[in-house]
Amino acid sequence: DGGITQSPKYLFRKEGQNVTLSCEQNLNHDAMYWYRQDPGQGLRLIYYSQIVNDFQKGDIAEGYSVSREKKESFPLTVTSAQKNPTAFYLCASVRRGGDTQYFGPGTRLTVL
Amino acid sequence: QQQVKQSPQSLIVQKGGISIINCAYENTAFDYFPWYQQFPGKGPALLIAIRPDVSEKKEGRFTISFNKSAKQFSLHIMDSQPGDSATYFCAASGGTSYGKLTFGQGTILTVHP
Repeated sequence: DGGITQSPKYLFRKEGQNVTLSCEQNLNHDAMYWYRQDPGQGLRLIYYSQIVNDFQKGDIAEGYSVSREKKESFPLTVTSAQKNPTAFYLCASVRRGGDTQYFGPGTRLTVL
Repeated sequence: QQQVKQSPQSLIVQKGGISIINCAYENTAFDYFPWYQQFPGKGPALLIAIRPDVSEKKEGRFTISFNKSAKQFSLHIMDSQPGDSATYFCAASGGTSYGKLTFGQGTILTVHP
């Protein structure tokens, strides 16, 4: 099955800890995106990458970091510098020249 | 200039009724306008999309109406069903924001049986 996988589905973190959220796709898509979703708000772009070894900040990049060492993978690290990390995190990808973003199932992060 | 404004925030419709969600954008370079449907705890899924060269696109019970001069577009769900109850997001992309989607705030649709 082709698609986007995110793991884990649920993640709990203590304050002051860094955590890494996984996003993997086997769609051979070039571009990948990370969004944050909070109740009553739309999807806000954290980081995106249109090619391996290159990525750009989105609208709310502070307190987050990413890497893109492989085309299939775009992990997101939520650092201790992120003040309000509790949220639903969504990963998406797009093929080269395409418009449609395909989303993964999401990871719900809760800071205890 | 990158904003997409969506209304209403929530919508309650009776089964069989018409659900209408509206979006307005500012960036005239936008040339792709998708609607996404999201069920609780799931990722959004593309529902229907339109480009500015047409004023309307219909797929089954779902229709997008597009008004380029007003910079507005809307989603109409005909014969709404309880299974349509979800959060709907409009979005836009194009111009220098290639591949990047700007999302509206979302509309929570509840269809009562």
